[in-house]
Amino acid sequence: QKEVEQDPGPLSVPEGAIVSLNCTYSNSAFQYFMWYRQYSRKGPELLMYTYSSGNKEDGRFTAQVDKSSKYISLFIRDSQPSDSATYLCASPLGDEKLTFGTGTRLTIIP
Amino acid sequence: DAGITQSPRYKITETGRQVTLMCHQTWSHSYMFWYRQDLGHGLRLIYYSAAADITDKGEVPDGYVVSRSKTENFPLTLESATRSQTSVYFCASSGAVTYEQYFGPGTRLTVT
Repeated sequence: QKEVEQDPGPLSVPEGAIVSLNCTYSNSAFQYFMWYRQYSRKGPELLMYTYSSGNKEDGRFTAQVDKSSKYISLFIRDSQPSDSATYLCASPLGDEKLTFGTGTRLTIIP
Repeated sequence: DAGITQSPRYKITETGRQVTLMCHQTWSHSYMFWYRQDLGHGLRLIYYSAAADITDKGEVPDGYVVSRSKTENFPLTLESATRSQTSVYFCASSGAVTYEQYFGPGTRLTVT
């Protein structure tokens, strides 16, 4: 079992919709959670990170962690075609290593 | 060029050949990583390095060799390529401050 599980999708939504991307994790010691965005044929890049529980907002993006259910979410408001990408959740394993979910492929339909 | 670069970007090789993928970063980051990305498996760590001359295995190290004689370079060698090593390979680096890893553009390797 992977330490971070993610629904691979694909997920298609119309432009302007609210998108919800989700991950679950198994290790209750995880404190730091990250979302990476990967455009087609590019390397992943860090989108957001959160520490412990609660929400963090950055423009149209909100990252949420629920430690009681070991659930990580990324919400995208007013989704744009430029948001079409694969989104990967991740958490540190120690020694600067990260464990990644398999990624959810998102398409925003104009 | 500033940042993290990988070469070649595309490579086709035959089974049994030795292949070396190059990774170079200009930030003087202490940590460097090699991942492979495959459908259904996501990113899997092959090897990582905490500093020059310090390397360690990741999740899927078999069939791969790494070295790090200089901080900025972290080559990955497939000693005898197999078809199962057909994948997209990403190099990443980290400055060990916020866990953020910076990824290169990837090398798409096909083993025939």
